[in-house]
Amino acid sequence: GAGVSQTPSNKVTEKGKYVELRCDPISGHTALYWYRQSLGQGPEFLIYFQGTGAADDSGLPNDRFFAVRPEGSVSTLKIQRTERGDSAVYLCASSSYRGATYEQYFGPGTRLTVT
Amino acid sequence: QKEVEQDPGPLSVPEGAIVSLNCTYSNSAFQYFMWYRQYSRKGPELLMYTYSSGNKEDGRFTAQVDKSSKYISLFIRDSQPSDSATYLCATHYGQNFVFGPGTRLSVLP
Repeated sequence: GAGVSQTPSNKVTEKGKYVELRCDPISGHTALYWYRQSLGQGPEFLIYFQGTGAADDSGLPNDRFFAVRPEGSVSTLKIQRTERGDSAVYLCASSSYRGATYEQYFGPGTRLTVT
Repeated sequence: QKEVEQDPGPLSVPEGAIVSLNCTYSNSAFQYFMWYRQYSRKGPELLMYTYSSGNKEDGRFTAQVDKSSKYISLFIRDSQPSDSATYLCATHYGQNFVFGPGTRLSVLP
């Protein structure tokens, strides 16, 4: 079956611009996560959705970052007034509850470069 | 102190070797432990998911958890060049997922 997909795969933008990154989770997965991964580091949690609502957004670095999941499926991560420090790979993952466990499945990521 | 620590490597081994990858974690509330494999420019791929202390085996891969020492390991038997990747350990309680920085592994033919 189809896995998690993310678009675009690469995005180059100028400092100060607005960007949107899209995630299409595995069908039927109610939980969706956004992570940011810098070179040589593991994924860093940004935000978690259960259904349509953001259950935990404690990882968003500041108010320039915002994410939505209006219909409980596709999610969009929005970054305003981009800065060079925002350059990273943005990963999306989805999961379903299996008994007492949550197995996360990741998309290929969007590589964001802010020039 | 980071919640999950992992030797970043790089680690180079000859084909056929047994590989041992290790992580430590600091928070005893963490209950579930995962190993992910990440190829260059790809998303992490779930390899193993374990809960209790002890071993879990899947083909050439064995995950080991020791909750008393907060230590988790991944063993790869008969390593292959296709195993060359970054291996991330991760843990979570509830929906709080925390990842280590990853160990870069190269298996040389």
